[in-house]
Amino acid sequence: EDQVTQSPEALRLQEGESSSLNCSYTVSGLRGLFWYRQDPGKGPEFLFTLYSAGEEKEKERLKATLTKKESFLHITAPKPEDSATYLCAVQALGTSGTYKYIFGTGTRLKVLA
Amino acid sequence: DSGVTQTPKHLITATGQRVTLRCSPRSGDLSVYWYQQSLDQGLQFLIQYYNGEERAKGNILERFSAQQFPDLHSELNLSSLELGDSALYFCASSVGGDITNEQFFGPGTRLTVL
Repeated sequence: EDQVTQSPEALRLQEGESSSLNCSYTVSGLRGLFWYRQDPGKGPEFLFTLYSAGEEKEKERLKATLTKKESFLHITAPKPEDSATYLCAVQALGTSGTYKYIFGTGTRLKVLA
Repeated sequence: DSGVTQTPKHLITATGQRVTLRCSPRSGDLSVYWYQQSLDQGLQFLIQYYNGEERAKGNILERFSAQQFPDLHSELNLSSLELGDSALYFCASSVGGDITNEQFFGPGTRLTVL
C-alpha cells in the first residue's frame, strides 16, 4: 500500500539548534516529492520539489534531500519564525495512466527563542 | 498573500444539505486543485482541473463534484453532507497542468456540518 510517513510528529528546538525532519515513502513510480510549510489556519506554502534520488535543493535555512526511500528536510540554525507544520507529499503513478498524490501527516516544529 | 481567493471563509450548515465553495486562481494560472484537510485524515488531494477540463482525480467522494468555468474560477459542490465532511477545504492554483508545478494555496474555507 502506498504510504507517506513523517517523523517526528512534533519537534521543539532552541533557536540556532539545527535538526532534520524525515519523510519516508513506499510508493511505486515516484514522479516527485514535495515539501510544504503550513502555518496554523493557513494554506500550505510550497517549499521544494525533488524528482530523483540524490537531488538536493536549498532555500535560506532549509535544505531538502531525496533518496530512494526517504527525504530529509534539514533546518540549519532555525529561528522562531521557522515554527510551523512541515508537510511532505509524493506524486506516484496510479492505475490506467492516472496518478496519486499522497500527503504525510506533517511534523509540527516549534523553535524557541 | 498567494493571489488565490476562496469564498466563503466559513460555512456552517446541517447534515443532508448541499454547499458550494468557490475559488479564483492567481492571474495567469490555468490549473486549479481542491484539497480537504481534517484533523483525522490530514491533507487529501481531491481533484484537479486544467483549463476547464478535469486533469486528475484523488480521493473525491461521489457526493462531491467540481468544475472549472471559462473564466478559470472553480467551484466545489458538496452534497448530502455528513458530520465527517467538516474540514478545511483548500484550493490551489498553478500555471501548468502538471501537478509537480509549484502550487499556490488559498486561505481555505472552513466547513462545519452540524
